Amino acid sequence: AQSVTQLDSQVPVFEEAPVELRCNYSSSVSVYLFWYVQYPNQGLQLLLKYLSGSTLVESINGFEAEFNKSQTSFHLRKPSVHISDTAEYFCAVTLKTSYDKVIFGPGTSLSVIP
Amino acid sequence: DTAVSQTPKYLVTQMGNDKSIKCEQNLGHDTMYWYKQDSKKFLKIMFSYNNKELIINETVPNRFSPKSPDKAHLNLHINSLELGDSAVYFCASSLGTSGTGELFFGEGSRLTVL
Repeated sequence: AQSVTQLDSQVPVFEEAPVELRCNYSSSVSVYLFWYVQYPNQGLQLLLKYLSGSTLVESINGFEAEFNKSQTSFHLRKPSVHISDTAEYFCAVTLKTSYDKVIFGPGTSLSVIP
Repeated sequence: DTAVSQTPKYLVTQMGNDKSIKCEQNLGHDTMYWYKQDSKKFLKIMFSYNNKELIINETVPNRFSPKSPDKAHLNLHINSLELGDSAVYFCASSLGTSGTGELFFGEGSRLTVL
């Protein structure tokens, strides 16, 4: 069965410090990979995605994630966080054989400390 | 124009009552979903419809009944509400089989059962 693991449930980090949120998945078939962000009292929105091609993908607000097939990972990084990055971050995968089924990780709560 | 809109945003009700949440998307997507997010932020898929047909029906009590009058609308009716039904319910949509599983979420409906 497919699954997504986010080992860190809570990550506190000081403003302007770097951060890495970890995501690992298990699947017997190829997947598409996503990171979603949920700001307080809002719905989820797409942060970035890996479909194919370059294994390093970037978002418009400075986040990046790298797909590592051998380690089945898709870790999210930002070199310098801002207070406004405080949110819940969800890693998700979609099976290429079943686009309708999205599997979410349990989420990581990022708290940026001034 | 809101892409995925759901109403109401807040619901406070007594145990045993029946309530409905409505969802509409104007993205032209084929697939719509209902997710439940508990107090620990964990996202659980409940139902998915593709072109008005039920395609995912996870282990959800019979008290929950989805209805899709057309592919742009997916409503959720809950009978005999229980305390454990308190959660945030998210509607989402995707392109379906012609897409990658990327989800577009509504703002959520926070249900509180007293």
